[in-house]
Amino acid sequence: NAGVTQTPKFRVLKTGQSMTLLCAQDMNHEYMYWYRQDPGMGLRLIHYSVGEGTTAKGEVPDGYNVSRLKKQNFLLGLESAAPSQTSVYFCASSYQGGRDRAFFGQGTRLTVV
Amino acid sequence: AQKVTQAQTEISVVEKEDVTLDCVYETRDTTYYLFWYKQPPSGELVFLIRRNSFDEQNEISGRYSWNFQKSTSSFNFTITASQVVDSAVYFCALTLPYQTGANNLFFGTGTRLTVIP
Repeated sequence: NAGVTQTPKFRVLKTGQSMTLLCAQDMNHEYMYWYRQDPGMGLRLIHYSVGEGTTAKGEVPDGYNVSRLKKQNFLLGLESAAPSQTSVYFCASSYQGGRDRAFFGQGTRLTVV
Repeated sequence: AQKVTQAQTEISVVEKEDVTLDCVYETRDTTYYLFWYKQPPSGELVFLIRRNSFDEQNEISGRYSWNFQKSTSSFNFTITASQVVDSAVYFCALTLPYQTGANNLFFGTGTRLTVIP
């Protein structure tokens, strides 16, 4: 049972480039989330999904897009990367949303130069 | 507004000492959940405990214990006889599962615990 898997684990982008982070979970969870972690700021929610085909904005959605075409996958896209998007990105999933514990991926360290 | 405050940014203790990590939360909702997660140097967040707002019983799990007090809006975490493996960043989090659009965790900024051998 792999849990939550994020791809890639590390990436360096040039300003203006685009990329997609992939999150896959094998626990049949309805809820999936993308967070970013920055020093001294904890984890901040970017976007989330409460089921296949649905997405919603979190606390810091600007500059990101997401898609949930399949229940097990949640993609995070950066259309035009900026240095301010240098961060560690975490994907998480849960069975019952806020009433349930979240399972986290190992994180993706993204550097935008 | 919802908020989680972890006032202790960094704590260092010598191995075998006890240490308490503080967590204070703010919410007007009567139904909420509180969590603690551990982030070891490997980076992945590991779930430690969940508490709902109707259960104020303290909990002990091995060397870990949690003290939930609604009167002071606190959910503190104590590690007894700390070990080097306890070195990590610890996050306290709050969820409001019955609010529309609030299917997320409100995280504190974390407390970095260093246990010195």
